[in-house]
Amino acid sequence: QVQLVESGGGLVKPGGSLRLSCAASGFTFSDYYMSWIRQAPGKGLEWVSYISSSGSTIYYADSVKGRFTISRDNAKNSLYLQMNSLRAEDTAVYYCARAGYSYPADYWGQGTLVTVSS
Amino acid sequence: EIVLTQSPGTLSLSPGERATLSCRASQSVSSSYLAWYQQKPGQAPRLLIYGASSRATGIPDRFSGSGSGTDFTLTISRLEPEDFAVYYCQQYGSSPELTFGGGTKVEIK
Repeated sequence: QVQLVESGGGLVKPGGSLRLSCAASGFTFSDYYMSWIRQAPGKGLEWVSYISSSGSTIYYADSVKGRFTISRDNAKNSLYLQMNSLRAEDTAVYYCARAGYSYPADYWGQGTLVTVSS
Repeated sequence: EIVLTQSPGTLSLSPGERATLSCRASQSVSSSYLAWYQQKPGQAPRLLIYGASSRATGIPDRFSGSGSGTDFTLTISRLEPEDFAVYYCQQYGSSPELTFGGGTKVEIK
């Protein structure tokens, strides 16, 4: 069965960095677009970034452009999100999802909490 | 960026009643790329509907989606106790920035 397991969340100071990982299993990872989607405490869903199956197409929400970098390693069935210059408003649960441009999010991980606070 | 506006913000209904949720887009959305998700507290969202009207695997037929252009609807024909949750619409192909609506909470009256 499809499984997506995020890791790497935690408490970080404003201006700091964090790298999230998502381990995928149960499907041919290299065939699918992948996305990061976040949800601030008590708020709605916000799409953050997606990457195509080969990694050649990448897109970011304006709120994270220039600060976050999405990447993938198809040999390791893994998705990553490098987050730099973190701000308090980046505090959220970050979900890894099998999703992207023209693909709905049909599978989601359980999420990893990122807290940006001094 | 396409902005999706969901209404109402909260819907108070009793089990067995019909729920009608609206999602309005700031510009035309291809019906092929409109999805609905259900989220319960402490859980990841679950895909209900894709392509505006196609049910995802394992979704009961009391859930149905309709609409085109800028107006889309999710209907739950008869609410079961497990259907009380927050519902989100999303466009995932009419513009490169994938966007979600703000959500509708369906609560027990």
